[in-house]
Order: sequence, then C-alpha cells, then structure tokens
Amino acid sequence: KNEVEQSPQNLTAQEGEFITINCSYSVGISALHWLQQHPGGGIVSLFMLSSGKKKHGRLIATINIQEKHSSLHITASHPRDSAVYICAAFSLGNEKLTFGTGTRLTIIP
Amino acid sequence: ETGVTQTPRHLVMGMTNKKSLKCEQHLGHNAMYWYKQSAKKPLELMFVYNFKEQTENNSVPSRFSPECPNSSHLFLHLHTLQPEDSALYLCASSNQGAGGGYTFGSGTRLTVV
Repeated sequence: KNEVEQSPQNLTAQEGEFITINCSYSVGISALHWLQQHPGGGIVSLFMLSSGKKKHGRLIATINIQEKHSSLHITASHPRDSAVYICAAFSLGNEKLTFGTGTRLTIIP
Repeated sequence: ETGVTQTPRHLVMGMTNKKSLKCEQHLGHNAMYWYKQSAKKPLELMFVYNFKEQTENNSVPSRFSPECPNSSHLFLHLHTLQPEDSALYLCASSNQGAGGGYTFGSGTRLTVV
C-alpha cells in the first residue's frame, strides 16, 4: 500500500462539471502539495497547504489533518484542465516528498 | 518557463552510449533533486543535493551518476543503461528548511533502445 493514495485513478467529465480528486496519506506531514502534470511532462505546483483551504481561480484545495485527507476541486471544468493531478506529502522531519500515483483527468468539450 | 530548466527534452540512446542530462535553476534554491517517473508509478526520488553536497542516494544503480558542480546546476550522467531505465527524468529544486516549496522542471523523456 502506498503511503499516499489518490482516487480516482482516472476521471472523465464533461466541460462545466465540478471535479473532485481525493488524496489520503498515512505519513506524518507538515504540508500537502497538489501538482499538475501536462502531457509534455513538466510539473507545475498548484497548492501547498498545511491546514484549511486554499483557492486559486477555479481551483480549490482543502485538507483535514485529523483525517489525513485532502481534496482538490475544479469548478466549471474546461478541456484545458485535462492533465494528471498528483498529490504529494511533505515531511519537514526528513525534508522529503512522498507522491501519489496521480489522477488522470480528461474534460470533454 | 518554470524557473528550472532541463535539457534535452527528449533523448534516445543505445545501451552502450554515454549521455548526460542537465538541470539548471536560478531561483536561489539550496537543494536540487533528480526524480524518475515510470509509467503508472509514483515519482521516485533518485538523488538529493544540498548546497552541492549529495545528501541522498536512494539506492540508485551506478549506471546513473549525478554531478552537482554548484548550487545552480545538476547533471545526471548515464552509461550502459537498460531498456527498463526508459522513463521521464525530472529535476526539481527547493529551499530546504523553508517548509517545502518545490519547483519542477519539464523533464527529459529518455528512451533506451
């Protein structure tokens, strides 16, 4: 079992739908990252959060430290949101990122 | 442009070749990392350099040889690779001790034939 689990592994939705991607972790963390990887391979950091909720445009990330669970939401989804979304748990103790396997999101026009 | 630049973007090499991957950051970060991303697997940490000193070698085979001449540049020298080494190799940088903000490069897609 991975220390960081994401669900679903694949998600296809129609343009405009509200998207939720979930991340559960079993390691102790000081921060949780949400990353976006486009087909070319490069990774962009979307959020780093250690409590509560952050919002950037149509993207919202939440974290519940007690339940060791985080969610990434996309409102009014658009085909350009199609990418792989990766959550990664950061542990300050050993300065390491532990990655989930990613969620492949496809938004159909 | 993410702030971390990797070259080349794509590389095809034979098993007897020697090649190098390059990573460069001018973000003032003190740590640089090599990650390997294989299909359907999480990113795997290969090497960590902090202030150009190697602080982690995650049981990587010796056919992968990192070099960090200064805190802005990181290389991964490749020799006698195997087809199973075909993967996306990602470089990242961060300020260790500052709470975990990472910047990733665009990756080098390596194919070993």
